[in-house]
Amino acid sequence: DAGVIQSPRHEVTEMGQEVTLRCKPISGHNSLFWYRQTMMRGLELLIYFNNNVPIDDSGMPEDRFSAKMPNASFSTLKIQPSEPRDSAVYFCASSLEGQGYEQYFGPGTRLTVT
Amino acid sequence: AQKVTQAQTEISVVEKEDVTLDCVYETRDTTYYLFWYKQPPSGELVFLIRRNSFDEQNEISGRYSWNFQKSTSSFNFTITASQVVDSAVYFCALSGNFGNEKLTFGTGTRLTIIP
Repeated sequence: DAGVIQSPRHEVTEMGQEVTLRCKPISGHNSLFWYRQTMMRGLELLIYFNNNVPIDDSGMPEDRFSAKMPNASFSTLKIQPSEPRDSAVYFCASSLEGQGYEQYFGPGTRLTVT
Repeated sequence: AQKVTQAQTEISVVEKEDVTLDCVYETRDTTYYLFWYKQPPSGELVFLIRRNSFDEQNEISGRYSWNFQKSTSSFNFTITASQVVDSAVYFCALSGNFGNEKLTFGTGTRLTIIP
């Protein structure tokens, strides 16, 4: 079975540009999570969805970040405009709906903003 | 608020030695879940184990074992007869009740196995 799929795997962009990260969760999973990993802050949740509905977006840094989940098999995380401090690895994870199920992570997107 | 503390930033051991990674957690939820993830040098996050707060039985999977103690809010991970392939960063994580399913991660422990 395919795991969580993320694209692109690497993204280099200039400050001020729009960046869109994409995620396809594992088929049948109802919960989707976006995390960010940096040296300074470690792994932190940005937002998560249950059945395509955002449940907790308290981790979204600011209005420059937005996330959507138009259907059960696709989600996007958009940064507009991007800034150098957004440079990080962005992980998408999915799990079965409900408390306590393990989350399976995608390979991550390494974003570099120059 | 939930919190996970991994006090050991880095550990190095010689191959075939046993090693224990410590994890201490804080939560106000009566039902919660604990996890360990492995992040090898390639960067992906690999799920290792999940325990719920009602199950304090220790678990063994091959060379890996986990010790969950609610009395000390700890969920420690032991690797027996370590191997070079065990070199990675290991994260302990915590999630809560419905609506609080996000994972709160510790800062990770970088384990290096010396051949």
